[in-house]
Amino acid sequence: DGGITQSPKYLFRKEGQNVTLSCEQNLNHDAMYWYRQDPGQGLRLIYYSQIVNDFQKGDIAEGYSVSREKKESFPLTVTSAQKNPTAFYLCASSTYGAGNQPQHFGDGTRLSIL
Amino acid sequence: DAKTTQPTSMDCAEGRAANLPCNHSTISGNEYVYWYRQIHSQGPQYIIHGLKNNETNEMASLIITEDRKSSTLILPHATLRDTAVYYCIVRVETGANNLFFGTGTRLTVIP
Repeated sequence: DGGITQSPKYLFRKEGQNVTLSCEQNLNHDAMYWYRQDPGQGLRLIYYSQIVNDFQKGDIAEGYSVSREKKESFPLTVTSAQKNPTAFYLCASSTYGAGNQPQHFGDGTRLSIL
Repeated sequence: DAKTTQPTSMDCAEGRAANLPCNHSTISGNEYVYWYRQIHSQGPQYIIHGLKNNETNEMASLIITEDRKSSTLILPHATLRDTAVYYCIVRVETGANNLFFGTGTRLTVIP
């Protein structure tokens, strides 16, 4: 089945530690996105990538980093510089350039601080 | 950026139609209206989208007013599994086609 796979489902981070969240898609989508969701809130864009080896900052990129070495993969690293990392992280993908095409989401990774 | 306004919460009896309103009075002529829903602890699920004509698919219908300043998502026969937060989104015109999610409407389907 085509879709977006995020792993792990739950992740715990110690103080001063970097952690990486995985996002893989087999939809052949060009664009991929990372969002953060806090309890009772909507989604906020962290980073997005329109094409391999290229990515741009979203609204809340500080303390995060990404890479896009393959079309199928867009991992997100939560660095120690992110002082409030506890949140629900969602990855999405879409066809790039077709302005009316919807984004498809994975089932998220819930990150907590130990 | 065009923003949307939705009621915070709504209830609907099981088997009845659920009508979820959304105001987007500042929408631009080439911006689409999208609807997603999110069940607790899952990723958002795409439901439907439209520009100016009414749209229908296997999940729902989307009714957009003639002036495009508001729309209504209709779930024709609500079930308990439709309990979720429903987001009405106007697509922001950027190179990435990213979506602006507000806080949505929490729909509770009552047995």
